[in-house]
Amino acid sequence: GQQLNQSPQSMFIQEGEDVSMNCTSSSIFNTWLWYKQDPGEGPVLLIALYKAGELTSNGRLTAQFGITRKDSFLNISASIPSDVGIYFCAGLLGGSQGNLIFGKGTKLSVKP
Amino acid sequence: DTAVSQTPKYLVTQMGNDKSIKCEQNLGHDTMYWYKQDSKKFLKIMFSYNNKELIINETVPNRFSPKSPDKAHLNLHINSLELGDSAVYFCASSPGTYSYNEQFFGPGTRLTVL
Repeated sequence: GQQLNQSPQSMFIQEGEDVSMNCTSSSIFNTWLWYKQDPGEGPVLLIALYKAGELTSNGRLTAQFGITRKDSFLNISASIPSDVGIYFCAGLLGGSQGNLIFGKGTKLSVKP
Repeated sequence: DTAVSQTPKYLVTQMGNDKSIKCEQNLGHDTMYWYKQDSKKFLKIMFSYNNKELIINETVPNRFSPKSPDKAHLNLHINSLELGDSAVYFCASSPGTYSYNEQFFGPGTRLTVL
C-alpha cells in the first residue's frame, strides 16, 4: 500500500529550541494534514494544507506543502514542555476521494 | 461536553471472545470513522460511514463488523478476537465525507487480547 516516510522517528530537545520534522512519499498528494497526539488521547489536527507551496502557521507551528506535492514539513519554534507528544503527518492522495494515509509519527520530548 | 466519546476506555479479553466498542458523537456530523493504532503508533483507517452508509472499507478481516444505528453512533463489533487485534481503536467524525480537516477523534479504546 501507499506509504509516508516521516522523520525523524523521535527527537529529544531542550526547551526553547526549534524543531523540524517532515514527511515524504513517492506518490503525489492533494492534501497534507499535521496532527498532534497526547498520551492517552486521540490525534488533534494542527494544520491542514491544500495547495503545492502553501505555507500555513498556527501559533508557533508552521507547515508547508512541498512544491512537488510529495512532501511536507512541520516546524515548531521556541519549543515548550507542553509540545511533548507524537506528531503525525497524513496525506490524501491526488485524484483520490478515499483514505487518509498516516506517517509513523515523530515522538517529541522536551527537556525543561 | 465530549464531542466524540467511546466506551469502554480499556478492554481486556481472552482470545476467541466477541466484543464491541461503542462510539457516539454529538457534533451533528454526517460521517464517522474507525481507526486502528498499533503498538508502534501506526494509525490506519478501517471504516467510514456517511449517514449510516458504508463509504470506506479497508482491507480488514471480516471478523470486524461496524454497525451504525443512526448517524450519531458507529459501533465496532469484533468476533473471534485474536492476539493481533490488540491495539488502540479510535472513533472519529467529520461534517461530511472526506472532510478530514474538520475531523474530530475520540479518546480511544485500548483493546488487549490475552
